[in-house]
Amino acid sequence: AQSVTQLDSQVPVFEEAPVELRCNYSSSVSVYLFWYVQYPNQGLQLLLKYLSGSTLVKGINGFEAEFNKSQTSFHLRKPSVHISDTAEYFCAVSGLYGGSQGNLIFGKGTKLSVKP
Amino acid sequence: GAVVSQHPSRVICKSGTSVKIECRSLDFQATTMFWYRQFPKQSLMLMATSNEGSKATYEQGVEKDKFLINHASLTLSTLTVTSAHPEDSSFYICSAGLIRSYNEQFFGPGTRLTVL
Repeated sequence: AQSVTQLDSQVPVFEEAPVELRCNYSSSVSVYLFWYVQYPNQGLQLLLKYLSGSTLVKGINGFEAEFNKSQTSFHLRKPSVHISDTAEYFCAVSGLYGGSQGNLIFGKGTKLSVKP
Repeated sequence: GAVVSQHPSRVICKSGTSVKIECRSLDFQATTMFWYRQFPKQSLMLMATSNEGSKATYEQGVEKDKFLINHASLTLSTLTVTSAHPEDSSFYICSAGLIRSYNEQFFGPGTRLTVL
């Protein structure tokens, strides 16, 4: 079984500052890792995903994340945030193989608030 | 590509009535569709997984007779909340998985259900 921990429930940051949203996972099998963004009253939009290969993954809207297998982490970063980045961010993991291990397991989310 | 729609986006109903929510994959065929429930300021909770032409697999604690799922085709799944009560009020989100994809799911915009 897999689990995901997002250590920060809220992250306030000023506009144009860098930000890191932390995500740690646990799993007994190899995993795929995802970051999703959710704007108020909307569904989830995929920011980026790690499937294999390079551990540094670049996504949309200037976000990137680094897969660290030894630390079982997949932290999300952006060098300079905008007001429009204010949203809820979810880290998710799924096992490589099908069945229930193929289901997405979500963290509790991190609310990013960008202030002017 | 990979667009998922949900209908309706918002529904208000009286206690005791049934509500049907549709989830459609618009430009791809989905092997599997997932239904999630999200309470305010919380993460997504997987309710059930459905494969086209077969019975849905419900997560522990989710009432099968309460939340009826029908997956009639590779592009359409429906969730019916039967005899809805105020505690069923929530944000319901569906997602669809691509055939032979890396467990990637594409999310609908969600349906806000309010039971009076």
